Amino acid sequence: SQQGEEDPQALSIQEGENATMNCSYKTSINNLQWYRQNSGRGLVHLILIRSNEREKHSGRLRVTLDTSKKSSSLLITASRAADTASYFCATDAMDSNYQLIWGAGTKLIIKP
Amino acid sequence: SAVISQKPSRDICQRGTSLTIQCQVDSQVTMMFWYRQQPGQSLTLIATANQGSEATYESGFVIDKFPISRPNLTFSTLTVSNMSPEDSSIYLCSVGGAGYEQYFGPGTRLTVT
Repeated sequence: SQQGEEDPQALSIQEGENATMNCSYKTSINNLQWYRQNSGRGLVHLILIRSNEREKHSGRLRVTLDTSKKSSSLLITASRAADTASYFCATDAMDSNYQLIWGAGTKLIIKP
Repeated sequence: SAVISQKPSRDICQRGTSLTIQCQVDSQVTMMFWYRQQPGQSLTLIATANQGSEATYESGFVIDKFPISRPNLTFSTLTVSNMSPEDSSIYLCSVGGAGYEQYFGPGTRLTVT
């Protein structure tokens, strides 16, 4: 079952702007992960943040985690056309038997 | 990390027939996952396949419809049986360990007519 809710469902911005996507979840987690999917292809792992971490960076990506609010955000700075994709959050819940529970995804379009 | 290949990459099938999707990993892994992704939707886990044991199916998925084989630590197959147009989806396999990221194959895009 899905526990992640993502917003916005779709986001369209100009190249060079920053893009922020949010993810909320319902149960206690071990970690939260963000993935990118280009046009119906396989998913690519972007970043994993553990429940005892509050912020993590990877290149132009910044992820925050607020376990008190059960929410996370993914910030992509200085967006590029190649960032156009769907972005999914996934939680490794404490009672999930190591399965990931997926959010609905945000479709990001970067306009040149 | 792991590199995963899937065959076929896409297929168009007649209703009532079956399709077997293959998933090959370049290293030995314990847990493999099969997902379905309907157009414009998120991922739905079909089953978890561990080598040497029966696959564990999620609610709404049954072995008769989606039989899975896991003959060794680098390979698995998922069969979509007695297909209907509602089975048109992308089918993805992935591998990953507890508490770590998952690595995905490129997916199999299935269209049932």
